[in-house]
Amino acid sequence: AQSVSQHNHHVILSEAASLELGCNYSYGGTVNLFWYVQYPGQHLQLLLKYFSGDPLVKGIKGFEAEFIKSKFSFNLRKPSVQWSDTAEYFCAVNGAGRRALTFGSGTRLQVQP
Amino acid sequence: NAGVTQTPKFQVLKTGQSMTLQCAQDMNHEYMSWYRQDPGMGLRLIHYSVGAGITDQGEVPNGYNVSRSTTEDFPLRLLSAAPSQTSVYFCASSYSGGIEAFFGQGTRLTVV
Repeated sequence: AQSVSQHNHHVILSEAASLELGCNYSYGGTVNLFWYVQYPGQHLQLLLKYFSGDPLVKGIKGFEAEFIKSKFSFNLRKPSVQWSDTAEYFCAVNGAGRRALTFGSGTRLQVQP
Repeated sequence: NAGVTQTPKFQVLKTGQSMTLQCAQDMNHEYMSWYRQDPGMGLRLIHYSVGAGITDQGEVPNGYNVSRSTTEDFPLRLLSAAPSQTSVYFCASSYSGGIEAFFGQGTRLTVV
């Protein structure tokens, strides 16, 4: 079975601070990795994804994530957060041959102006 | 571009009532799935489908039924609602199983 752990449940930052959200997964084979964002009252939107190749992937709105295979991790980063980044962030994985995504429990990010 | 459309957006049910949450996508995606979102638990997979006529159970299937008679539609049925089914339900679709999913706006269901 595949599982995802997000260690930070609630993060509070000031504007311009740097962000790193942790994500670790459990799956022995090849995986596709995703970060989704859910703004208040909205549906999930894809931030970025990793399938293969360069382990440092860039997404929308200045977000990036690094896949470290040896650590089973896919941490999300942003150098300077904005108030508009206030949202809930979900890491998700899909192992090869699996038919649906497995999500982590989410991290609620609150950015204070 | 409609994408994934869910109806209704909000619903209140009494314990024991039945209802169907509707989900439709216009992207000709083969894969569709239903998740429920509960505080602190992320999204948990209820049922999924890999094509018309093919469905399978996810992580939390009890109390829910699905069918997939067309590529476009994937309704979720609650046969006898229970307070434990109070949640936000999201439908998602994808071209295949390994790539990103597109989500609907969600249905907030309260069972009293």
